Amino acid sequence: DVKVTQSSRYLVKRTGEKVFLECVQDMDHENMFWYRQDPGLGLRLIYFSYDVKMKEKGDIPEGYSVSREKKERFSLILESASTNQTSMYLCASSPRGRAGEKLFFGSGTQLSVL
Amino acid sequence: RKEVEQDPGPFNVPEGATVAFNCTYSNSASQSFFWYRQDCRKEPKLLMSVYSSGNEDGRFTAQLNRASQYISLLIRDSKLSDSATYLCVVNMAGNQFYFGTGTSLTVIP
Repeated sequence: DVKVTQSSRYLVKRTGEKVFLECVQDMDHENMFWYRQDPGLGLRLIYFSYDVKMKEKGDIPEGYSVSREKKERFSLILESASTNQTSMYLCASSPRGRAGEKLFFGSGTQLSVL
Repeated sequence: RKEVEQDPGPFNVPEGATVAFNCTYSNSASQSFFWYRQDCRKEPKLLMSVYSSGNEDGRFTAQLNRASQYISLLIRDSKLSDSATYLCVVNMAGNQFYFGTGTSLTVIP
């Protein structure tokens, strides 16, 4: 069974802390994504990566960075957490380039920044 | 204009009812289409892909109309367990996915 694993289900951090959200997939997918989901706004793309060491900004990259050193792992970094980054963070992966390929999601990390 | 727009909802229907959701997309070059289901505080999970010929999976039927650029989801004989948020997802070109904001369904006993 395909699996996308996010390291934490719930996380509470303080303003100004550096936060790492980890995501690992076991499907050998080329594409990996980080989204945040907020009520009324739906899923918004923060960053995605289509290969190792490659990254592309999504719609809302400000305040975030990412790292993809290995194909299976895609990390989201909040350099200095702020309260407006309190949200549900969802990692997803998909195979590269073929029409009809779908997204597989991790179980999400609910981050609260106090 | 948003890439994908969905019925705002919420939909509150009695058990056994038939309910339909619609979704429109703006880019005619969109390649593939999906309905995902999301339960409260959980991740989205694929419900079904949507094909031009229409496709059915038990009580669920999905349709795609490329000319009018909309997709639909029909749920027949609604069950309490169908209560969830349904997300319309459009894939542009392999690594570009666009999401609707979701439609909330509550099935009432």
